[in-house]
Amino acid sequence: SAVISQKPSRDICQRGTSLTIQCQVDSQVTMMFWYRQQPGQSLTLIATANQGSEATYESGFVIDKFPISRPNLTFSTLTVSNMSPEDSSIYLCSARRDRADEQYFGPGTRLTVT
Amino acid sequence: RKEVEQDPGPFNVPEGATVAFNCTYSNSASQSFFWYRQDCRKEPKLLMSVYSSGNEDGRFTAQLNRASQYISLLIRDSKLSDSATYLCVVNNNDMRFGAGTRLTVKP
Repeated sequence: SAVISQKPSRDICQRGTSLTIQCQVDSQVTMMFWYRQQPGQSLTLIATANQGSEATYESGFVIDKFPISRPNLTFSTLTVSNMSPEDSSIYLCSARRDRADEQYFGPGTRLTVT
Repeated sequence: RKEVEQDPGPFNVPEGATVAFNCTYSNSASQSFFWYRQDCRKEPKLLMSVYSSGNEDGRFTAQLNRASQYISLLIRDSKLSDSATYLCVVNNNDMRFGAGTRLTVKP
């Protein structure tokens, strides 16, 4: 299995500011992802974090708003930029060792924008 | 049409009941299928993979019908601890999640 940790676990931020969420996996993984989960809703994929290249974003998500880094096979960051109250959500980091593997999730970062 | 659609729920059942969840997916090229469980305020965790031949894990049985693009999960002899949201997940290179079905098992 893979154990994923995220920092911070929660934050309250003012609108217009930015927050960077860190994701650390305890072993090397091929694939890393960032999801968002609104209260009572299911998970929405934001982007696939690619090691050594630009992330692949899903429709409705753009790099300027959600810049992502992935400098190596165990670490990634997601920045939520120029935040508004609509960005209040839980942000989940996820990873898989390969395409056939189980997908593991971090505990999530609960973000509240005031 | 959503990529993955599930029973809307919620399901409220007594202990010991049998409950079934259904899920359909739109991409016929989907490669693998899973049921995840998510407890309140927790991250999703894999419950079981779903194979074409059907598979069973204790009280849980998962079925896949590729022709109909349909997945099911059957829980027998429900326990209070089964209360959670169950997510149908379809793998098309990246995982696509259904909206989830909330199950509450009551004494």
